[in-house]
Amino acid sequence: KAGVTQTPRYLIKTRGQQVTLSCSPISGHRSVSWYQQTPGQGLQFLFEYFSETQRNKGNFPGRFSGRQFSNSRSEMNVSTLELGDSALYLCASSLEGTGDSPLHFGNGTRLTVT
Amino acid sequence: AQTVTQSQPEMSVQEAETVTLSCTYDTSESNYYLFWYKQPPSRQMILVIRQEAYKQQNATENRFSVNFQKAAKSFSLKISDSQLGDTAMYFCASYNYGQNFVFGPGTRLSVLP
Repeated sequence: KAGVTQTPRYLIKTRGQQVTLSCSPISGHRSVSWYQQTPGQGLQFLFEYFSETQRNKGNFPGRFSGRQFSNSRSEMNVSTLELGDSALYLCASSLEGTGDSPLHFGNGTRLTVT
Repeated sequence: AQTVTQSQPEMSVQEAETVTLSCTYDTSESNYYLFWYKQPPSRQMILVIRQEAYKQQNATENRFSVNFQKAAKSFSLKISDSQLGDTAMYFCASYNYGQNFVFGPGTRLSVLP
């Protein structure tokens, strides 16, 4: 089976712009979650989607949004980018998004905001 | 709310030696899962080992084993016969039903030749 695929791998944007990141989960996985990873904050949970519905949401401002399509692929959008949004964004998929179906991570998208 | 703490930001170990990484967590739930994930410099996070809280037996996966102390809310990872390929960031994580996975800040492990 193909693993979790995230595109693009690298992205450079300017403050104020918006960006869309994409994640294709492992075939058959219905849960997709997103994390922001920074050296100072570690992995911070953004949100989780299951069968096209947002099931959990972390403590991020409304500028961060996401969605999931019927084929389980997910996108994450960040509007009005700030310098502090520079981070590695990780997507993870799992069968059910519960503890008995562990997360499988993609390689991440490195976003740099200038 | 779940919290996960890893008190060792960095550690090093000689090749072929044994090293233990510490993790403590806090949860009010009685049923939960604990994990160790590894993130090598290539940056893809990989599951190392998983423990179900209701199972008293410590999980093992080849050279990796855990010491799960439920009352103390401690979940340490022991790596035996360390190899150069074990060099990575190691994250401890917990999961409570109906909530999200919560990760600790990580421990950077360097295996020295």
